[in-house]
Amino acid sequence: DQQVKQNSPSLSVQEGRISILNCDYTNSMFDYFLWYKKYPAEGPTFLISISSIKDKNEDGRFTVFLNKSAKHLSLHIVPSQPGDSAVYFCAANRPLGGGADGLTFGKGTHLIIQP
Amino acid sequence: DVKVTQSSRYLVKRTGEKVFLECVQDMDHENMFWYRQDPGLGLRLIYFSYDVKMKEKGDIPEGYSVSREKKERFSLILESASTNQTSMYLCASSLTRFGNEKLFFGSGTQLSVL
Repeated sequence: DQQVKQNSPSLSVQEGRISILNCDYTNSMFDYFLWYKKYPAEGPTFLISISSIKDKNEDGRFTVFLNKSAKHLSLHIVPSQPGDSAVYFCAANRPLGGGADGLTFGKGTHLIIQP
Repeated sequence: DVKVTQSSRYLVKRTGEKVFLECVQDMDHENMFWYRQDPGLGLRLIYFSYDVKMKEKGDIPEGYSVSREKKERFSLILESASTNQTSMYLCASSLTRFGNEKLFFGSGTQLSVL
């Protein structure tokens, strides 16, 4: 049962335009969401996060929006740059065994910035 | 910055071999995780550990075991490697076991089982 869904495997955007990556989740108990960026042959790096008590968080060119009623979040990148070409993973914090918390990830969206 | 180091970037092993993947973090983090990444499947949690000698199964533990004898080191063991374990393996750590923590990842180990 996939609890975090990224329905677009890939997205192509022209340099300088806005990139919008989408993510849906099914578990209403999720209260913290993160976006990670991954280049080939490297580990994912943290990009931006948002708590469920907020509906927007902004960091430079990156903004994450959260719509709790729709169980939907999106990552906006503006303006898009060639270095933004990567796979983007949406993740949600969830309880694991032993009282620990961890992340469950979506399948990722491959963003390609066209020059 | 937190550093999570995985001992090998690339490994090639034969079917049936016992394989050890090592991971070390240098920031005294409580939680450590092993994920695998496969095209079209995203990152899937294999095992995690929230303390020394403690381990918990993730979503896909079959065919794997783990060891955490020291706080900074978390090992993933493939008891008898099979071709369907060919994958990118990612180790991660987080500061505490509780609350909303971001994960810090290593660079990954690309394992090929022939």
